[in-house]
Amino acid sequence: GENVEQHPSTLSVQEGDSAVIKCTYSDSASNYFPWYKQELGKGPQLIIDIRSNVGEKKDQRIAVTLNKTAKHFSLHITETQPEDSAVYFCAASHNNNDMRFGAGTRLTVKP
Amino acid sequence: GAVVSQHPSRVICKSGTSVKIECRSLDFQATTMFWYRQFPKKSLMLMATSNEGSKATYEQGVEKDKFLINHASLTLSTLTVTSAHPEDSSFYICSASSPVARRTDTQYFGPGTRLTVL
Repeated sequence: GENVEQHPSTLSVQEGDSAVIKCTYSDSASNYFPWYKQELGKGPQLIIDIRSNVGEKKDQRIAVTLNKTAKHFSLHITETQPEDSAVYFCAASHNNNDMRFGAGTRLTVKP
Repeated sequence: GAVVSQHPSRVICKSGTSVKIECRSLDFQATTMFWYRQFPKKSLMLMATSNEGSKATYEQGVEKDKFLINHASLTLSTLTVTSAHPEDSSFYICSASSPVARRTDTQYFGPGTRLTVL
């Protein structure tokens, strides 16, 4: 089955700096890679996703890159703000079946 | 669009009782719903996948007789924790997807239900 590893487990940045979270996956058949943001006591919220036919996707301050050959994908947040502080999860699945999540990254943005 | 609700948001029950958690897709029909469990500061662990009108598919290690899942309609799935024990205390989260209707297989998550078993 799929195994997703996520690094770092915690990340602290100054407001305005960039934050990068990296994930690797094991199943070459995986073709869908979403990123979720989870605030304390709430469910995960989809912030961006990418499919295996695309190498990069951007949405305002958030971008995701995918390297299929190396089986890794990354989340990039630019111009970070305190409200970006949360736990971020990457995930990988094949056609939405058997989605596996990374262990999560606790991002803290210091004002 | 793609709003998923859960009820209740919090529940406290006595050991040995059963608890039902509802998951609803409010603005779309979900052909597939997923149930996850999350321990404090941990990742989401998939418990089961349910397709409307079919029996749920449980992940290895998840007791289907203890965690009863019903997906009777395209907008509602329920998880019943039977004979709950303190070790069942956790954050339970559902998600829903509808690949055909929404033209995406993205899972949309509910807000979660915190279960505490005394």
